[in-house]
Amino acid sequence: AQKITQTQPGMFVQEKEAVTLDCTYDTSDPSYGLFWYKQPSSGEMIFLIYQGSYDQQNATEGRYSLNFQKARKSANLVISASQLGDSAMYFCAMREGIRRDDKIIFGKGTRLHILP
Amino acid sequence: KAGVTQTPRYLIKTRGQQVTLSCSPISGHRSVSWYQQTPGQGLQFLFEYFSETQRNKGNFPGRFSGRQFSNSRSEMNVSTLELGDSALYLCASSLTSGRALSSEQFFGPGTRLTVL
Repeated sequence: AQKITQTQPGMFVQEKEAVTLDCTYDTSDPSYGLFWYKQPSSGEMIFLIYQGSYDQQNATEGRYSLNFQKARKSANLVISASQLGDSAMYFCAMREGIRRDDKIIFGKGTRLHILP
Repeated sequence: KAGVTQTPRYLIKTRGQQVTLSCSPISGHRSVSWYQQTPGQGLQFLFEYFSETQRNKGNFPGRFSGRQFSNSRSEMNVSTLELGDSALYLCASSLTSGRALSSEQFFGPGTRLTVL
């Protein structure tokens, strides 16, 4: 079974609008961490934001915020005031605490297109 | 501080050949993970090395191997290349391994391998 599901293969959004990228996850481990990465066409993965399973508040980093709904196992990324430079692939990922190693499981990604 | 570097950036090989990819982590980072990215399978974990020891291995055939040196630099080797090995190979480094769920992995630009 997929551990990370991103249901939107692609999205088109008008510049300056907010955008929500969906992510659901599946784990039986009570301790886990959720990540969002951005991958521009250059290929390099850029870390955006992190949310721990025990964090009380939703994570925010500048224009990025994570809408964490633990009961629904949902960790959507919200980008406010989108910019042309936000056009890229976005990956939701998870690290399970029981692993005690650095392995991260990635979703299939969402390709975001920002329209001028 | 220099980021994660990977060499070479691009590689073209033919079926049956072998290839070695190199990854230099951020100075002071002791954990190096390797991922394979393909359009069909997405990002898949290959293996992780920490202090010259393989900590975890993904579900890949034995043709895929790796090692880490005392200076934390890592190499991965693919023997008897197949067409399906064409992919972007990403290396990521982190300061520790599995010590903290929030431990961020810093990714290199990747090596794009094409097998003809």
